[in-house]
Amino acid sequence: QAVLTQPPSVSGAPGQRVTISCTGSSSNIGAANDVHWYQQLPGTAPKLLIYRNTYRPSGVPDRFSGSKSGTSASLAITGLQAEDEAEYYCHSYDRSLSGSHVFGTGTKVTVL
Amino acid sequence: QVHLVQSGAEVKKTGASVKVSCKASGYTFTSYYIHWVRQAPGQGLEWMGWINPNSGGTNYAQKFQGRVTMTRDTSINTAYMELTRLTSDDTAMYFCAKSFTRNDNFDYWGQGTLATVSS
Repeated sequence: QAVLTQPPSVSGAPGQRVTISCTGSSSNIGAANDVHWYQQLPGTAPKLLIYRNTYRPSGVPDRFSGSKSGTSASLAITGLQAEDEAEYYCHSYDRSLSGSHVFGTGTKVTVL
Repeated sequence: QVHLVQSGAEVKKTGASVKVSCKASGYTFTSYYIHWVRQAPGQGLEWMGWINPNSGGTNYAQKFQGRVTMTRDTSINTAYMELTRLTSDDTAMYFCAKSFTRNDNFDYWGQGTLATVSS
């Protein structure tokens, strides 16, 4: 059961900027726990896209960026490309659930 | 190069158990936690728990306590997840993933193992 709330879908034309929000609570994101983002292409395993709120793993284009404030976080994709069409999930840690990891509800990005 | 390679697809009857393996290579197996995450068809990601391959210590999500057991065999760098008393709601893709600490990001994932439960 997802504890972090994301919009079900966002869309944009190639080259545009889109953002995905991830809303949590005082027991997870608001408790100074880091937020991470994953990209999941159809039929594949999730891939780490942003870690510890703002950092990109080696090989991830700088078109992807992350931010965090209070009980929410955001993922931005600038210069949207066709290959960015995928499902995106945020992830954090929740101290209230015996130390559980929690995921967002997922957002489908469509490139028009 | 880091790899997590999981066992193949499973088909089980209601009430049975399933055991999925996750073989690690390309890094020191005992230095990173292994997590298990599942994804029902068309649904989102659900964390099931972690195992510390060094100590064997585990932490399971409340939802799965009493039904899941995570183990490891350090001689072959492999982690296992066994889920018992299966129902159709357990039909899902099961992923293993590694993290540096128990509350950190999952930097590498296995390819997934589809478990189908039917009567």
